[in-house]
Amino acid sequence: KAGVTQTPRYLIKTRGQQVTLSCSPISGHRSVSWYQQTPGQGLQFLFEYFSETQRNKGNFPGRFSGRQFSNSRSEMNVSTLELGDSALYLCASSLGSGERLGAFFGQGTRLTVV
Amino acid sequence: KNEVEQSPQNLTAQEGEFITINCSYSVGISALHWLQQHPGGGIVSLFMLSSGKKKHGRLIATINIQEKHSSLHITASHPRDSAVYICAVLSGTASKLTFGTGTRLQVTL
Repeated sequence: KAGVTQTPRYLIKTRGQQVTLSCSPISGHRSVSWYQQTPGQGLQFLFEYFSETQRNKGNFPGRFSGRQFSNSRSEMNVSTLELGDSALYLCASSLGSGERLGAFFGQGTRLTVV
Repeated sequence: KNEVEQSPQNLTAQEGEFITINCSYSVGISALHWLQQHPGGGIVSLFMLSSGKKKHGRLIATINIQEKHSSLHITASHPRDSAVYICAVLSGTASKLTFGTGTRLQVTL
């Protein structure tokens, strides 16, 4: 069965623009979590969606938003990009909640803001 | 102080050596993951633990819930084990992971 798919893999944007990243979970998985990884802050939790509802949110400004569709695919959007948003954005999927969360990660989208 | 602390931050070993990476956490958890990240970014989950010990090939992971401590051991290390190893905890009923800062392992011939 196909793994977690993130698109695009690489992206270059200019300050002030907005960007949308996509994550397709493993078939049958209903939970999608998003994470930001930077050299300075490491991996940090952005938000988690389950059955189209945001179930948990990390400590990020409102410029970071997300949504989940009925087929469990998820998108995250970052508006008014800043240089500091340059990072690797990872998503992970799982069947539901609980201890299996975090078991399956995508390859990530590397965003560079110039 | 971070909720999840890993040590060491960097580790260089020669092929064949036994390696231990440690993870301590300060919150109550429902599970702990050991993750491996190769250059290029993709993350692979090696183990998910809620108690005791797990073994997969040359990798062994242990957790002591009372002491809030976990270790990842690699026996007979190999250059292909070179990667960043990250400890992540799932705390309580929260549906999110909190990560350690990672241990960069380099295994040389």
